[in-house]
Amino acid sequence: KAGVTQTPRYLIKTRGQQVTLSCSPISGHRSVSWYQQTPGQGLQFLFEYFSETQRNKGNFPGRFSGRQFSNSRSEMNVSTLELGDSALYLCASSLGTAEAFFGQGTRLTVV
Amino acid sequence: DAKTTQPTSMDCAEGRAANLPCNHSTISGNEYVYWYRQIHSQGPQYIIHGLKNNETNEMASLIITEDRKSSTLILPHATLRDTAVYYCIVRVAQGSARQLTFGSGTQLTVLP
Repeated sequence: KAGVTQTPRYLIKTRGQQVTLSCSPISGHRSVSWYQQTPGQGLQFLFEYFSETQRNKGNFPGRFSGRQFSNSRSEMNVSTLELGDSALYLCASSLGTAEAFFGQGTRLTVV
Repeated sequence: DAKTTQPTSMDCAEGRAANLPCNHSTISGNEYVYWYRQIHSQGPQYIIHGLKNNETNEMASLIITEDRKSSTLILPHATLRDTAVYYCIVRVAQGSARQLTFGSGTQLTVLP
């Protein structure tokens, strides 16, 4: 059974640009959550999608957005990138419980 | 979700049991104890969870005290590959808010 796949693994962007990250959950999982990890703030919840609907959102500015497609694949978008957005972005899929399966993450560097 | 307290770091000799404690004195009756670990630069990995009975799987054992105010994750024979940050999380198993709240965790270093 394939795990959670995140693409790309690494990304370098310039301040002011926007970026889209992709996550393919485990087959059959309809819940996809996104997390940001930085050395200073640790792992922080961004948002969760279930059956194409955002069910919960963390405390992040509106520049961070996401969506989920009918096949449960999810994307997150960050607009007007800032240096502080440099982080490891993690996607997790689950059947709807707290037993979540994480991908390897996308390392975003904003220069 | 209940707040948890874990030691910042621990060392363990390779081949010995690693016992990682977690305090969750404000845990509610319907909240489970979950353990995850994160090996450097990888995504967190689910280890085990439990409500009040002790649990064991192929990775670890989870011992929850009778009053449920604390728990211990046991890695029976630690290897170098078990070096990671271990997170103890307390939350309901299901519900409208499914995010995981990660604290600082315990950095476990397995020494050769």
